[in-house]
Amino acid sequence: DAGVIQSPRHEVTEMGQEVTLRCKPISGHNSLFWYRQTMMRGLELLIYFNNNVPIDDSGMPEDRFSAKMPNASFSTLKIQPSEPRDSAVYFCASRTSPETQYFGPGTRLLVL
Amino acid sequence: GEDVEQSLFLSVREGDSSVINCTYTDSSSTYLYWYKQEPGAGLQLLTYIFSNMDMKQDQRLTVLLNKKDKHLSLRIADTQTGDSAIYFCAESMGNTPLVFGKGTRLSVIA
Repeated sequence: DAGVIQSPRHEVTEMGQEVTLRCKPISGHNSLFWYRQTMMRGLELLIYFNNNVPIDDSGMPEDRFSAKMPNASFSTLKIQPSEPRDSAVYFCASRTSPETQYFGPGTRLLVL
Repeated sequence: GEDVEQSLFLSVREGDSSVINCTYTDSSSTYLYWYKQEPGAGLQLLTYIFSNMDMKQDQRLTVLLNKKDKHLSLRIADTQTGDSAIYFCAESMGNTPLVFGKGTRLSVIA
């Protein structure tokens, strides 16, 4: 299996622009997680889905953030409008059982 | 709420054993994990342990769990320069998302 796939790997944008991050979970995994990693806050859970349904989005920082999972093999995290403080590494992870949660390589986002 | 604490830095000499410690607060934790993150990469699952176990060994890695003290440790035997990375402790009740510590940066001195 190719593992969790994220795109783009790097994104540089200007403040106010819309940013869309993409994730393809491992085939057969029914839970998908979006995390954000910064030096100050460490690894924060933003939102997670079970069977394509959002279960908990309490970690989403503001209304500027939204996430969707239209089918079992694709999810997006959108930031609109983006701000410099959104600069971070965004990880997607998936799992089918508690023992084995796998992470993607991350998207490094820089908002100027 | 749940909290996972780790020391931020650890430095060891190549060939020595490394011990990375973690404490957690949620007594309902069922699964405890260790992940490794190398520079510019995602988190790699190293190992996990069920809360009803007190030890798990996998090649150079030994995980010890003291459930009474809510203390988890990861021992890396014969530490190599390739082990230099950030190590994250995490806990979960199984059907809940993982809660991560802030990570311990392990530096291996040749």
